Amino acid sequence: AAGVIQSPRHLIKEKRETATLKCYPIPRHDTVYWYQQGPGQDPQFLISFYEKMQSDKGSIPDRFSAQQFSDYHSELNMSSLELGDSALYFCASSLRQAGSYEQYFGPGTRLTVT
Amino acid sequence: AQSVTQLGSHVSVSEGALVLLRCNYSSSVPPYLFWYVQYPNQGLQLLLKYTSAATLVKGINGFEAEFKKSETSFHLTKPSAHMSDAAEYFCAVGANFGNEKLTFGTGTRLTIIP
Repeated sequence: AAGVIQSPRHLIKEKRETATLKCYPIPRHDTVYWYQQGPGQDPQFLISFYEKMQSDKGSIPDRFSAQQFSDYHSELNMSSLELGDSALYFCASSLRQAGSYEQYFGPGTRLTVT
Repeated sequence: AQSVTQLGSHVSVSEGALVLLRCNYSSSVPPYLFWYVQYPNQGLQLLLKYTSAATLVKGINGFEAEFKKSETSFHLTKPSAHMSDAAEYFCAVGANFGNEKLTFGTGTRLTIIP
């Protein structure tokens, strides 16, 4: 079965640079979620989109922005990167219209800021 | 606001012994609860979910969990531990029938002793 695809899997950036993470949800899923997992920490919710509209927002820095496109893929844009942004970034998708409560996670993008 | 507390950041059990990972939740509305497993350098895999149906929930890999409203608990168990169960386990609570953000516990690292 198709899973959530994230690219790139690994990304190394320097401080003050920008990064773009991409997420391709499971086909027909209408909701995308972004989470950030710092080293040794639990995943923290950043932002979500339902039918291409932002549906919820968590502890996402103002330096970060995200959107969901017409083909339902989503991108997380991160600017003025800081060392503390080094983390594993997960994308998850679900089919909210069907009343599904399950979020399926991608393998994550490991961002290292040097 | 919703939250989960996982008791014990590290749990060690012998191969073949009972696995018990504890999770207590706090929620002002009927909760939707999940257990996820994370293997090293991998994404989060859904083990099982509670969505207000049966209180005893069976998941993959022989795991199950029981929702106890009186104790606000959703502990994860497996009768007989296997070496392949060694991983990080996260309990999570979902808002809005599970279709919104997940709030994770701090995780429990399970070690299996041969």
